[in-house]
Amino acid sequence: KQEVTQIPAALSVPEGENLVLNCSFTDSAIYNLQWFRQDPGKGLTSLLLIQSSQREQTSGRLNASLDKSSGRSTLYIAASQPGDSATYLCAVRPNDYKLSFGAGTTVTVRA
Amino acid sequence: GAVVSQHPSRVICKSGTSVKIECRSLDFQATTMFWYRQFPKQSLMLMATSNEGSKATYEQGVEKDKFLINHASLTLSTLTVTSAHPEDSSFYICSASPGLNVETQYFGPGTRLLVL
Repeated sequence: KQEVTQIPAALSVPEGENLVLNCSFTDSAIYNLQWFRQDPGKGLTSLLLIQSSQREQTSGRLNASLDKSSGRSTLYIAASQPGDSATYLCAVRPNDYKLSFGAGTTVTVRA
Repeated sequence: GAVVSQHPSRVICKSGTSVKIECRSLDFQATTMFWYRQFPKQSLMLMATSNEGSKATYEQGVEKDKFLINHASLTLSTLTVTSAHPEDSSFYICSASPGLNVETQYFGPGTRLLVL
């Protein structure tokens, strides 16, 4: 069974600092990996999707890397802003369609 | 585009009653819809997968007679929590995949259920 772990569980940084969020998974036979953002009491917004053949994906201030062989992905958020405060979820998809989610990292960016 | 809505957003009910949650794809046809449950500080757990016109497939440990899923059309799936108990209190989120492409899932805003 795929286990997805996100460390740290919570993170608080001053505005402008870069954020590094970690995700690890136990089964490296994945189809893709996705990072989501969840605001309190809300649904999920997809941020980045990395196919298993890719090493990284970038969108604006966000960059996600994937090391499938070691079962790790890292989400970098450059020059953090208070609006980046949210919970960030990592999800892996094996070769079927079911997503396995981590418990998330709750980020607080202090103004 | 690709908007998924849920109704209601919040519901409070008494123990023993049934609650129905709707999930709609507003601007696309969703052959497949997924229902997740999320407890505080925990990850989303897939409960079941529903395909339009057929019976839902439930994950191990999810009671199909308690969590009734109906995917009657290509834009609507409903989850009914029957004889709800306080331990059913949770955040329920649906997602929908357009057509036969299940790689992409669009998530609804979630429904907060509180059972007293």
